[in-house]
Amino acid sequence: QKEVEQDPGPLSVPEGAIVSLNCTYSNSAFQYFMWYRQYSRKGPELLMYTYSSGNKEDGRFTAQVDKSSKYISLFIRDSQPSDSATYLCATRSAGNKLTFGGGTRVLVKP
Amino acid sequence: DGGITQSPKYLFRKEGQNVTLSCEQNLNHDAMYWYRQDPGQGLRLIYYSQIVNDFQKGDIAEGYSVSREKKESFPLTVTSAQKNPTAFYLCASRNTEAFFGQGTRLTVV
Repeated sequence: QKEVEQDPGPLSVPEGAIVSLNCTYSNSAFQYFMWYRQYSRKGPELLMYTYSSGNKEDGRFTAQVDKSSKYISLFIRDSQPSDSATYLCATRSAGNKLTFGGGTRVLVKP
Repeated sequence: DGGITQSPKYLFRKEGQNVTLSCEQNLNHDAMYWYRQDPGQGLRLIYYSQIVNDFQKGDIAEGYSVSREKKESFPLTVTSAQKNPTAFYLCASRNTEAFFGQGTRLTVV
């Protein structure tokens, strides 16, 4: 079993819809949670970083962490075609090892 | 301006040759990482370093080697022992959040 599981998609939504992405993880030692956006043939770009349960909002993006269920989510409001990319969740314990999910490909259709 | 620079962007290697990928950062980060990404796949950890002159194997270290002689630099050598080296290689550095370079695409010809 992978330490971080993520549905590969693709997830196709119409422009303006809410995109809902999620990951589950198995290691209760994970304390830090990140979401990255990756365009084709580019390096991942950090979108959100959080270390506690609850919600964190930044513009159109909301990250949600539920440590009791080992479940993390990313919501993208008012989605745009430019949001079409692969979204990667990542976790880290108190140490330095970063563990990634497999990524979800998102397509926002005009 | 600050960031992580990976070079070259594209690299071609003949079978049986070693090749070294460069990663430089000017963010003053202690931790640095190397990941491999195959088409349609997530990131798999090759090696990471928490501090100068120290590094640890990740999940797929076989066929790879690294060094960390300077805080700013964390080069990755893909050796001839790596059986399937064709992939997209990503370097990252971290203070709290981790930031990535733009990657090196290695192709074995």
